[in-house]
Order: sequence, then C-alpha cells, then structure tokens
Amino acid sequence: GAGVSQSPSNKVTEKGKDVELRCDPISGHTALYWYRQRLGQGLEFLIYFQGNSAPDKSGLPSDRFSAERTGESVSTLTIQRTQQEDSAVYLCASSLGGTFSEQYFGPGTRLTVT
Amino acid sequence: KNQVEQSPQSLIILEGKNCTLQCNYTVSPFSNLRWYKQDTGRGPVSLTIMTFSENTKSNGRYTATLDADTKQSSLHITASQLSDSASYICVVRDNAGNNRKLIWGLGTSLAVNP
Repeated sequence: GAGVSQSPSNKVTEKGKDVELRCDPISGHTALYWYRQRLGQGLEFLIYFQGNSAPDKSGLPSDRFSAERTGESVSTLTIQRTQQEDSAVYLCASSLGGTFSEQYFGPGTRLTVT
Repeated sequence: KNQVEQSPQSLIILEGKNCTLQCNYTVSPFSNLRWYKQDTGRGPVSLTIMTFSENTKSNGRYTATLDADTKQSSLHITASQLSDSASYICVVRDNAGNNRKLIWGLGTSLAVNP
C-alpha cells in the first residue's frame, strides 16, 4: 500500500509568516511522529501521537510550534511567526505503535525561512 | 553530550569493499537499538531492530551486532554497492519510565565510490 506522504515537499516562506505542514500516515498506523532535521544534524523529536492518548509534546521547541491529528489519520504541524532558525527538513513517521514497532518515514518537507 | 555517539562521522570506500560503522550509547535503561539508512533527500528507512538479548542480526548485506554490557553496536556492510551511499543512523530507545523516546545519533555518512 501507499507509504507515508507529506506535503508540500518544499516550502519557502518569509520570516514572520505562519506555515502548515501536512502528513498522511500509513492507513491503520496508530502512532505518528514529527521530527525536525537541520542541515548536517540528527533527527530531533518534536511530537508524538498515539491513538486517542494525549500527545507527547515534550519535543516542541517553543509555543510557536503546534500539531494536530484527526483521529488516526492526517496530521498537521503548524509553525507560527517563522524564524530563520526554523529552516530544516520536517519529517513525519508513522508506526503500528508499541515498543518494537518500526517507524516508516515520509520524504519530508524542506522548509526555508528567508 | 549526545547519549548516542557514532563513528566515524564520514567514510569513503571503494565499491565491493566491506566496512564497519560504530555506535556507542549511554542510554539506560535500554529497550532496543535500531539502525536506519537515510538516502539524501529521503526519510530514514529501518535496517534492523535489536533487543538487549540479541547479539547479531542480519538483513541481506547488512549485519548489526550489539554488546549490551559495553553499550556498543556496530553495523557491518559486506560487498558494498554504489547504492549503499547514504547516512547510517543508530537509534536507541530509552525505556525510562513514561519517557520512552528514541534517541537518535548524528549518523555516519558513507560514500561508496566506483
């Protein structure tokens, strides 16, 4: 079946603007993750959704970042009042859930804040 | 200090040669360790997942080893191919209480030259 998809693939925005990134997980996957990857850096955990549980927002770097997930489907990551340091690739992953379940990643959205 | 450290940072080898990538971690308690391959411009793809009781796990030309006593893992690539050029990332799952997170290493960038 289809993998994890993300849109847009690239986004260029001006500093101070809001952006919304979308993730469509694999159907049936209860867990969904958002990560940020700056150039030359490792993946940085942002937020985790698991079923109907309260999301783990512990990785969000500031209150300008927020994410929502509709049931066990689409998720959107919103960055308000973007700053240049927000420039990065934003990766979404989904999994069946559980300690050993494999995460399947989307291709990412490359965000450039000018 | 990162709880998951990888070496070398980058590596160049000739096609057909073998190589070994290292991962040392300090995460404790530890649940499982994963190796991911990330092609340029793509999301990471899982290669192996190992629990503390597993010493070796293979996936085609990729063989991962784990020594939970010394907190070291290695990824051995046999008979390298040009398509092996990618970043290889070691990820350790922190199993401390409710703060179960994946701790990502910065990766080893491998270039396989003809």
